[in-house]
Amino acid sequence: GENVEQHPSTLSVQEGDSAVIKCTYSDSASNYFPWYKQELGKRPQLIIDIRSNVGEKKDQRIAVTLNKTAKHFSLHITETQPEDSAVYFCAALINTGRRALTFGSGTRLQVQP
Amino acid sequence: NAGVTQTPKFRVLKTGQSMTLLCAQDMNHEYMYWYRQDPGMGLRLIHYSVGEGTTAKGEVPDGYNVSRLKKQNFLLGLESAAPSQTSVYFCASRSPGAAYEQYFGPGTRLTVT
Repeated sequence: GENVEQHPSTLSVQEGDSAVIKCTYSDSASNYFPWYKQELGKRPQLIIDIRSNVGEKKDQRIAVTLNKTAKHFSLHITETQPEDSAVYFCAALINTGRRALTFGSGTRLQVQP
Repeated sequence: NAGVTQTPKFRVLKTGQSMTLLCAQDMNHEYMYWYRQDPGMGLRLIHYSVGEGTTAKGEVPDGYNVSRLKKQNFLLGLESAAPSQTSVYFCASRSPGAAYEQYFGPGTRLTVT
């Protein structure tokens, strides 16, 4: 089955700096790659996603890039703010079989004011 | 629309007790999923269903059973709870088309003593 690895496990940045979180996946059949933000005690919230036919997608301060050849994708957050502090999860979907997301292990982002 | 709801929000069980977690969605989604979330391990798929009356095993199914008698409900059962099942349980659902986004419930925090 699919395996998703996520790095780093923790990331601390100064307010205003950029943050980058990277994920790799194992199955080339994966075709959908969402990123979730999870605040303490809350459910995961989708913040951005990308499909396999697109190399990059941007939404205000958040962007995701996908390299299908290398089987990795990254989340980029610019001009970080304290409210960006949370745990971020990447995931990959193969839309056959289980048709369920496989998640990375998460990155705890701390934005220092 | 309530989206995806879960009952109960919190529960404490003694080893060997049984319980059922209820997930309900009002979005007419075909696919439903049960995940568990443990510290440092992301979300792992327990069981899933691609339609009413169908269920299948995910990544970590041992010790759990599920039923999908109605399209809008997906039940997760623990027949004989063990301390290793202490976790936060999330239900999710999505439609089978090209909209791959999964919608998560608020979670159930289960402690087994």
